[in-house]
Amino acid sequence: EVQLVESGGGLVQPGGSLRLSCAVSGFTFSSHGMSWVRQAPGKGLEWVATIKEDGSEKYYVDSVKGRFAISRDNAKNSLYLQMDSLRAEDTAVYYCARDLTGSFAYWGQGTLVTVSS
Amino acid sequence: DIQMTQSPSTLSASVGDRVTITCRASQSISSWLAWYQQKPGKAPNLLIYKASSLESGVPSRFSGSGSGTEFTLTISSLQPDDFATYYCQQYNSYPRTFGQGTKVEVK
Repeated sequence: EVQLVESGGGLVQPGGSLRLSCAVSGFTFSSHGMSWVRQAPGKGLEWVATIKEDGSEKYYVDSVKGRFAISRDNAKNSLYLQMDSLRAEDTAVYYCARDLTGSFAYWGQGTLVTVSS
Repeated sequence: DIQMTQSPSTLSASVGDRVTITCRASQSISSWLAWYQQKPGKAPNLLIYKASSLESGVPSRFSGSGSGTEFTLTISSLQPDDFATYYCQQYNSYPRTFGQGTKVEVK
């Protein structure tokens, strides 16, 4: 069974940092691109970042470029999102998702990030 | 960036109704379009990929069509479990973008 489990969310002050993790099981992690997608409270879905299977290519939405960094450890079956210089508008549930040539076939349950003083 | 526009934003329907949701892209995306269903407090669930391919395990009452800039998601006979919010998403290029969502509610 495919499982994706996010962790690392919480309350952080504006300007602060958080590192999200996504532990996966049930599939060959190193064979799939992975992404982060977020959803602000009561709002729609927003793609955040994607990393290719071997980590050689990374893509970001403009609003997080230079502040967020996606990475992966294929030996640990884990995906990460380092988030720095956090802003109130980054408040959202963050989902990790497994790529299916660009669509998102499997999702975690999400982890809530709240940026507030 | 490619903008995705869904219509309607809200749709009121009854069990057994045929429901159609439209998604328009601001430029051609070929068939690189996916549809998702999301229920409150839950992660989205992939229904359709490549515009018309049904994801494994998804009921056959869901279907997708279209190419280029115009796409539709059709539910042939709405079931109680289908009341939810639906999103389209393009993956022709980065940044990946979603439509704003269509909420299917009880009439």
